Amino acid sequence: GGIITQTPKFLIGQEGQKLTLKCQQNFNHDTMYWYRQDSGKGLRLIYYSITENDLQKGDLSEGYDASREKKSSFSLTVTSAQKNEMAVFLCASSIVGTGGEAEQFFGPGTRLTVL
Amino acid sequence: GEQVEQLPSILRVQEGSSASINCTYENSASNYFPWYKQEPGENPKLIIDIRSNMERKQTQGLIVLLDKKAKRFSLHITDTQPGDSAMYFCAASGNSGTYQRFGTGTKLQVVP
Repeated sequence: GGIITQTPKFLIGQEGQKLTLKCQQNFNHDTMYWYRQDSGKGLRLIYYSITENDLQKGDLSEGYDASREKKSSFSLTVTSAQKNEMAVFLCASSIVGTGGEAEQFFGPGTRLTVL
Repeated sequence: GEQVEQLPSILRVQEGSSASINCTYENSASNYFPWYKQEPGENPKLIIDIRSNMERKQTQGLIVLLDKKAKRFSLHITDTQPGDSAMYFCAASGNSGTYQRFGTGTKLQVVP
């Protein structure tokens, strides 16, 4: 078994602020993902990474940067927080090197509120 | 197109009855179809999946059906219990180089 941890659990920011979310996994999975979850809109992929130092854009990459520093960690940066923004950011990992043909394991999420 | 449509968005059923959630996908190359359950305040967890070489799969009160011709797949929960109340997400992914795209979710409420 393994675990995915996300920090922080809650993040409160100001409009225009640059905010960084972190994710660590000990599954030894190759692929890691960042999703944004909004009420009524499901899970939208922001970035994913198939190996260390790799970065691939998802459907919602504009306004975000990401970094896969090492196999076990994947960070996401909100480049300029939008006023009244509220969302949950979920990190996930899976064993597949490319493509999506495997179960994804999700972290507990970071809840973002922008004042 | 790569969208995955999921319906209904809200489903309310009587305890003991069955519940059905339907998804359609656009990419005919999709070959893996997982279903995730997300309980309130929790992260999504895989509950069942099906690959394109199968039309039906069943496990512990869950049945998934896949109609590749119609590009449609569905989840059926038999004998629903209060513990089945949660958000359910379908997803579809294809060959190497693509990633799982998720439906918009179904909020299932099982009432006594």
